[in-house]
Amino acid sequence: DVKVTQSSRYLVKRTGEKVFLECVQDMDHENMFWYRQDPGLGLRLIYFSYDVKMKEKGDIPEGYSVSREKKERFSLILESASTNQTSMYLCASAGGLNIQYFGAGTRLSVL
Amino acid sequence: RKEVEQDPGPFNVPEGATVAFNCTYSNSASQSFFWYRQDCRKEPKLLMSVYSSGNEDGRFTAQLNRASQYISLLIRDSKLSDSATYLCAVNLGPGANNLFFGTGTRLTVIP
Repeated sequence: DVKVTQSSRYLVKRTGEKVFLECVQDMDHENMFWYRQDPGLGLRLIYFSYDVKMKEKGDIPEGYSVSREKKERFSLILESASTNQTSMYLCASAGGLNIQYFGAGTRLSVL
Repeated sequence: RKEVEQDPGPFNVPEGATVAFNCTYSNSASQSFFWYRQDCRKEPKLLMSVYSSGNEDGRFTAQLNRASQYISLLIRDSKLSDSATYLCAVNLGPGANNLFFGTGTRLTVIP
């Protein structure tokens, strides 16, 4: 079974803090993705990576950055958290067939 | 126009009923199509891939209509456990690594 692990299920941070969300996959997948999911808006792609050290902006990259130093790990960074970044964050990985497997999600609250 | 559109529902159906959802996509070059299921406060999980010839998995049937650019999901003999949000996902075209997700259709099966 594919396993995608996100480091935290729930996080509470203060405005202006730097926030790191970590994601690790165990299937040697080339592609990894970060989404946020908000009621009524569905899944929105923040960034994705198709190889180590490679990254591509998704639909809503503003306020976020990413890091992929190793194939199995894809990190999402909120440089200075704001209240409008309160959301559910989902990491996914995919192999050659484009099927995306999701982690359990991190519910982030920024106060 | 959105890349992928779904009727958000909710669909409230009695146990044993047959229910169908459609999902339209805008890019005629899209080649990969999927249905995901998402339970409340959980991550999306792959329900089934959608092939050109259609495919069936037990009570679930998925079909692709390229001419009209939509995919469908049919659930027969609905169970209470089928209550969830169903997301369709479509890629942009040949070689595209990322998927566009619909906002989901919410299904509630009523006893």
